[in-house]
Amino acid sequence: GAGVSQSPRYKVTKRGQDVALRCDPISGHVSLYWYRQALGQGPEFLTYFNYEAQQDKSGLPNDRFSAERPEGSISTLTIQRTEQRDSAMYRCASRQVLSTDTQYFGPGTRLTVL
Amino acid sequence: TQLLEQSPQFLSIQEGENLTVYCNSSSVFSSLQWYRQEPGEGPVLLVTVVTGGEVKKLKRLTFQFGDARKDSSLHITAAQTGDTGLYLCAGARTTDSWGKLQFGAGTQVVVTP
Repeated sequence: GAGVSQSPRYKVTKRGQDVALRCDPISGHVSLYWYRQALGQGPEFLTYFNYEAQQDKSGLPNDRFSAERPEGSISTLTIQRTEQRDSAMYRCASRQVLSTDTQYFGPGTRLTVL
Repeated sequence: TQLLEQSPQFLSIQEGENLTVYCNSSSVFSSLQWYRQEPGEGPVLLVTVVTGGEVKKLKRLTFQFGDARKDSSLHITAAQTGDTGLYLCAGARTTDSWGKLQFGAGTQVVVTP
């Protein structure tokens, strides 16, 4: 695709519900990253993949958060039993090859937990 | 505690003035990047610096990586209203898994006509 896409763009859910956030990276990009960003702050690293392998998940806040990228392309970030403190902008980024630094960010999913 | 400390947090200047934004850490980074983010959009990469002491210039923007690879600065000459945005530094720490980036909290820059 032309750029990184994320869906849904906005998600409102009730506390205790599970949510799944989707990221569709730029076609052929090797690496995929998930970040969480508070308003006016820098992105906070959550996890990242090279191809289908999860390389680092040290930024996931707790075991309610998980991510997968089963075929090395689309990725899903799942939050189980959502809590109000999970409300944030969740951003995805992709990188073309392992030797380049440039990450291309998606528009984000704004999650609101009521 | 933020791994990368950016200062100032907010900067408002008039068109034509110069500004400098700082990014500091006690950690060593194998590379450091600067991004600009506009409201409602994702961050967009401006530059990557990888060598201690390196200076890169992109038109009116000058980026410097500290000799010890722990800090960086972004200097904008003759700012324009189009320079308004959230400026973020991000680093790949030598002790982290390769490919992992740590972001600073950002400096919000507002350039008024």
